[in-house]
Amino acid sequence: DGGITQSPKYLFRKEGQNVTLSCEQNLNHDAMYWYRQDPGQGLRLIYYSQIVNDFQKGDIAEGYSVSREKKESFPLTVTSAQKNPTAFYLCATQPTVSSYEQYFGPGTRLTVT
Amino acid sequence: GDSVTQMEGPVTLSEEAFLTINCTYTATGYPSLFWYVQYPGEGLQLLLKATKADDKGSNKGFEATYRKETTSFHLEKGSVQVSDSAVYFCALSVSQGGSEKLVFGKGTKLTVNP
Repeated sequence: DGGITQSPKYLFRKEGQNVTLSCEQNLNHDAMYWYRQDPGQGLRLIYYSQIVNDFQKGDIAEGYSVSREKKESFPLTVTSAQKNPTAFYLCATQPTVSSYEQYFGPGTRLTVT
Repeated sequence: GDSVTQMEGPVTLSEEAFLTINCTYTATGYPSLFWYVQYPGEGLQLLLKATKADDKGSNKGFEATYRKETTSFHLEKGSVQVSDSAVYFCALSVSQGGSEKLVFGKGTKLTVNP
């Protein structure tokens, strides 16, 4: 069953703790993306990776970190430096870096109190 | 820079009403244009796309035409259903450093009442 898996769907953490969100894909897509969605804000790009062992900052990378050790996996760590971490986080893939379309996972809703 | 502007919502319609959600864009070059849909609690799904001027994208009764002269890509549906209730995002692709990335509008929430 091909697709993009994000786990867990809901995540709760205390302020000051780092938390890692999982994104796995078996579509054999080259590029992977992390977006943050806040009410009324649309989607904002956090980080993206076009190939294994390489990634670039998006528009709002501060307080986040990523790794791309395998083509299938692109985990996002929300660090304690992120001032407003509570949000809906979406992972997306793109077949190749020159493709137009992106495919989205179901998202993880992170709540930090 | 490249940007997308959508009509602000929320939009509330009765079943079988006509839907228009306006989208205009600013871009250098010739972007591809997309509409994505997000159902409650889910990720985004590609609804339709158009890759060049005058192209019409269509899917599930929704249509949008790429209008270069007005830099617009308005989403339309002739008769909405309750199941169309969702948030709709207009997006464009931009080439940056040899790769394609998406720029999204802020989304328009549609509620269709029976």
